[in-house]
Amino acid sequence: SQTIHQWPATLVQPVGSPLSLECTVEGTSNPNLYWYRQAAGRGLQLLFYSVGIGQISSEVPQNLSASRPQDRQFILSSKKLLLSDSGFYLCAWSAGTGYTEAFFGQGTRLTVV
Amino acid sequence: GENVEQHPSTLSVQEGDSAVIKCTYSDSASNYFPWYKQELGKGPQLIIDIRSNVGEKKDQRIAVTLNKTAKHFSLHITETQPEDSAVYFCAASGAQAGTALIFGKGTTLSVSS
Repeated sequence: SQTIHQWPATLVQPVGSPLSLECTVEGTSNPNLYWYRQAAGRGLQLLFYSVGIGQISSEVPQNLSASRPQDRQFILSSKKLLLSDSGFYLCAWSAGTGYTEAFFGQGTRLTVV
Repeated sequence: GENVEQHPSTLSVQEGDSAVIKCTYSDSASNYFPWYKQELGKGPQLIIDIRSNVGEKKDQRIAVTLNKTAKHFSLHITETQPEDSAVYFCAASGAQAGTALIFGKGTTLSVSS
């Protein structure tokens, strides 16, 4: 069966520090991968999605970047965190074509102080 | 791009009552509409979904209806129980490869006993 792993579960970082959140999927190949951010009252905001290795689409301009160095690995990064980057970050995967459900990881609670 | 509106933002019901959450979408090309339930501190979990070739789908106490002409879909929970208390999200996506789910802002459902 397929599983998705996301870590760390919680993270407290100072303003201006770098960020690296990692997500890996097991039990499937060539998944679509997604990063969402959840802020209070704003639902799930799509940040990045990827349909293959090295292919990243960005949905909103921001202080973050994403990379997909391997088929089932998706990394969210920042060179210098801002206070506004605080939130709950969720990684998700779906099968290779649209029209199918997305499966979410357990999320990372990021607090920038 | 797609825009999904969800109402109400909060909903309080008594145990045993029904709960209805409504969503509208903007992109007529969207054809997949899932509903997710999110418990505190966890990632969203799919509870039911509907595709554009179906008008209604039911799974025990949960049902979803879709009106493609009006571009709206609804979640119906009957005989609510305290464990139904959570945040519910609707979403929409198209069929193209890599199409990401676009979410509504969520509804916080509270079921009191």
